[in-house]
Amino acid sequence: EAGVVQSPRYKIIEKKQPVAFWCNPISGHNTLYWYLQNLGQGPELLIRYENEEAVDDSQLPKDRFSAERLKGVDSTLKIQPAELGDSAVYLCASSLDGGETDTQYFGPGTRLTVL
Amino acid sequence: AQSVTQLGSHVSVSEGALVLLRCNYSSSVPPYLFWYVQYPNQGLQLLLKYTTGATLVKGINGFEAEFKKSETSFHLTKPSAHMSDAAEYFCAVSDLVFGAGTILRVKS
Repeated sequence: EAGVVQSPRYKIIEKKQPVAFWCNPISGHNTLYWYLQNLGQGPELLIRYENEEAVDDSQLPKDRFSAERLKGVDSTLKIQPAELGDSAVYLCASSLDGGETDTQYFGPGTRLTVL
Repeated sequence: AQSVTQLGSHVSVSEGALVLLRCNYSSSVPPYLFWYVQYPNQGLQLLLKYTTGATLVKGINGFEAEFKKSETSFHLTKPSAHMSDAAEYFCAVSDLVFGAGTILRVKS
């Protein structure tokens, strides 16, 4: 069974440029998560989807970040414009039904460097 | 609000020695607790989780953790460290709030 796929794995951009990350969750998983992981810290939830619906986006900086999950499968996270402080690893995870005890499966992440 | 504190950002043990990674949590409701491992350039992988029932939870790769409500702790242990255990370990409460992580180094 294929795991969570993320692309690109690495991205280097100039500040003020836009950037997008893509995630393909495990087949059949209804819940998808995007996390931000800064160096030396644990993942911080940005947004959680149940199928196509964003059910928790309270930590998503909506002035520059946006996300979508069309057809309840793949998801894209976008930053426009990027700032120096956005340099981090962006993790995508999926789970079967999003319950509090449900196991999350993580992708390898996209490492973003903003110059 | 829930929170997690992992004591020690770095832990170093000798191969074959006991591994103890500390995690304390804060939660106003009975917590669900998780330990994840992250190898370099890989995603987080679930080691074990506590939901209800038995407070001693066994996970993969010989790890286990014990939920102690009175101490608000969920420490991760392994009797004998192996070189392949070198990684970063994250404790999480209710699977959405993560600690800062502990890097485990195993010396030969």
